[in-house]
Amino acid sequence: DAGITQSPRHKVTETGTPVTLRCHQTENHRYMYWYRQDPGHGLRLIHYSYGVKDTDKGEVSDGYSVSRSKTEDFLLTLESATSSQTSVYFCAISSTVYGYTFGSGTRLTVV
Amino acid sequence: RKEVEQDPGPFNVPEGATVAFNCTYSNSASQSFFWYRQDCRKEPKLLMSVYSSGNEDGRFTAQLNRASQYISLLIRDSKLSDSATYLCVVNGEKNRGNKLVFGAGTILRVKS
Repeated sequence: DAGITQSPRHKVTETGTPVTLRCHQTENHRYMYWYRQDPGHGLRLIHYSYGVKDTDKGEVSDGYSVSRSKTEDFLLTLESATSSQTSVYFCAISSTVYGYTFGSGTRLTVV
Repeated sequence: RKEVEQDPGPFNVPEGATVAFNCTYSNSASQSFFWYRQDCRKEPKLLMSVYSSGNEDGRFTAQLNRASQYISLLIRDSKLSDSATYLCVVNGEKNRGNKLVFGAGTILRVKS
């Protein structure tokens, strides 16, 4: 079932440092997404990609950047981590309108 | 107003009970609707799609009311293993990103 993997699974980092999370898929799906999930807010879209080198912002993109140089990899970078970016980050993939498949998540703590 | 709203619960029910969740969405142009299930500290997983005619999958029945812009999920004969958070999910109007909007979820706890 592991058509999508995220790394690392857990990370603790210090305020002000850059952090990169990786999402890797083996399904050759066109669409990839990064969400964050926080209590009381549910899943909120950070950035998404609709093809290699084609990305766009979601509703909570400030402080984040992404890159997609290959179909299978979608990277999320926190340019200068802040405590407000402590969260669980989920990557998702989709090929059609019929739902997403999520990765197992990355638990990020910024201290 | 949130684009997708759900009662956060928790709904505490005994085994064997029938429980129903509703959710409302604000974008009348939405075209696709889903229920996802999320177990504690796990990723969300697709439970079922929701069709205009209503659809059933075993003990689970999903309904869509476009006029009132709400979606429902009915679980019959609840099992302990049904305990989870249920996310109502809506696809917006057609866009290049195939983006979905997630509700914050409804917590279900089934007790013996």
